[in-house]
Amino acid sequence: DAKTTQPPSMDCAEGRAANLPCNHSTISGNEYVYWYRQIHSQGPQYIIHGLKNNETNEMASLIITEDRKSSTLILPHATLRDTAVYYCIVSGSNYKLTFGKGTLLTVNP
Amino acid sequence: KAGVTQTPRYLIKTRGQQVTLSCSPISGHRSVSWYQQTPGQGLQFLFEYFSETQRNKGNFPGRFSGRQFSNSRSEMNVSTLELGDSALYLCASSLDGHSNQPQHFGDGTRLSIL
Repeated sequence: DAKTTQPPSMDCAEGRAANLPCNHSTISGNEYVYWYRQIHSQGPQYIIHGLKNNETNEMASLIITEDRKSSTLILPHATLRDTAVYYCIVSGSNYKLTFGKGTLLTVNP
Repeated sequence: KAGVTQTPRYLIKTRGQQVTLSCSPISGHRSVSWYQQTPGQGLQFLFEYFSETQRNKGNFPGRFSGRQFSNSRSEMNVSTLELGDSALYLCASSLDGHSNQPQHFGDGTRLSIL
């Protein structure tokens, strides 16, 4: 699976949009970009995934660049409950997810 | 729809013992994966099962094993426990394990070795 690079931490004000970047420059054509988040002491929560088109669901939007070498997860109106570690993962065909260290997003009141 | 259920939530064992952890996947999901999470190593893949067959295995010693039953429920076993096996063990399920299907995680079993 392609390696991903994320900033170790980010801050966001409550009510504002949180934009979390991820670089995956070695992604190959059949690999999907996944985003998960983990709140302390809970299992990772699936947020969204995409192949090459932008995706939106009730939780977030995923913007993937045209060359697919990077992506951005957007939480449109961050709340205190969105404080968590966010993982960007590139998933291939080997039935597993390879987690990096993720980005600790802290939403401040 | 019920999520992934892992039992027990907490477990305390001593070195040398063995332990079995259980995972019930989301109804209709046939792929089950296991992960270990520690502060030092982060989240690491242990193995994945589909239709009672292990399809992929991570870089863990043979003391870590698993199995899947015909109803897709899965168990993992760790024998001859070591202090370093203290971790959060997470189970995830998906429809078929392929890359276009998200894995959904349970809240894990926290194993402490004394």
